Amino acid sequence: GEDVEQSLFLSVREGDSSVINCTYTDSSSTYLYWYKQEPGAGLQLLTYIFSNMDMKQDQRLTVLLNKKDKHLSLRIADTQTGDSAIYFCAERAAGTYKYIFGTGTRLKVLA
Amino acid sequence: SQTIHQWPATLVQPVGSPLSLECTVEGTSNPNLYWYRQAAGRGLQLLFYSVGIGQISSEVPQNLSASRPQDRQFILSSKKLLLSDSGFYLCASGTGAMAFFGQGTRLTVV
Repeated sequence: GEDVEQSLFLSVREGDSSVINCTYTDSSSTYLYWYKQEPGAGLQLLTYIFSNMDMKQDQRLTVLLNKKDKHLSLRIADTQTGDSAIYFCAERAAGTYKYIFGTGTRLKVLA
Repeated sequence: SQTIHQWPATLVQPVGSPLSLECTVEGTSNPNLYWYRQAAGRGLQLLFYSVGIGQISSEVPQNLSASRPQDRQFILSSKKLLLSDSGFYLCASGTGAMAFFGQGTRLTVV
């Protein structure tokens, strides 16, 4: 079935690292995405990874993929107050059109 | 890169009134287009997607319909709104491996 799961909340102190976790279900070739949503706004694509990769790094963002456990994580280094938002994990099986989203993790950064 | 325009940004409509939300895309051609609804500031529910002009796939039975009259135009409609149609509606455009979202329309049915 199609199910992407995330924890609902995460709270970190400014300057610490944040790790947001996600589990997905599709076991074939899959694209996995991280989006950020600020209050009242649309979703901003942060990064994505294909399931033949283990890791992707882009400035303060590091995506790790554990294919065996179908576990995806987003690490934000040196978390800032501007990083406070809801972070969505999404998956899309290669060759298909549907993006399946998790429920989102609300990240709160404490000054 | 793509730009997705959605309007209006906010809308308050009475129960039983019609609805038309429009989404247009710039910066790409022949995109896959999507309408999502987000309730209570949380998860996204896929309502419709389209892989080409006049081609609409519906994901959930509901009071809404979608149309794609042009390559980069996607319209979400209803003949008679229900209270349960309230929510945050997001249009997305997908090309290649990525999908980009508009800024959303907040619909309140009263």
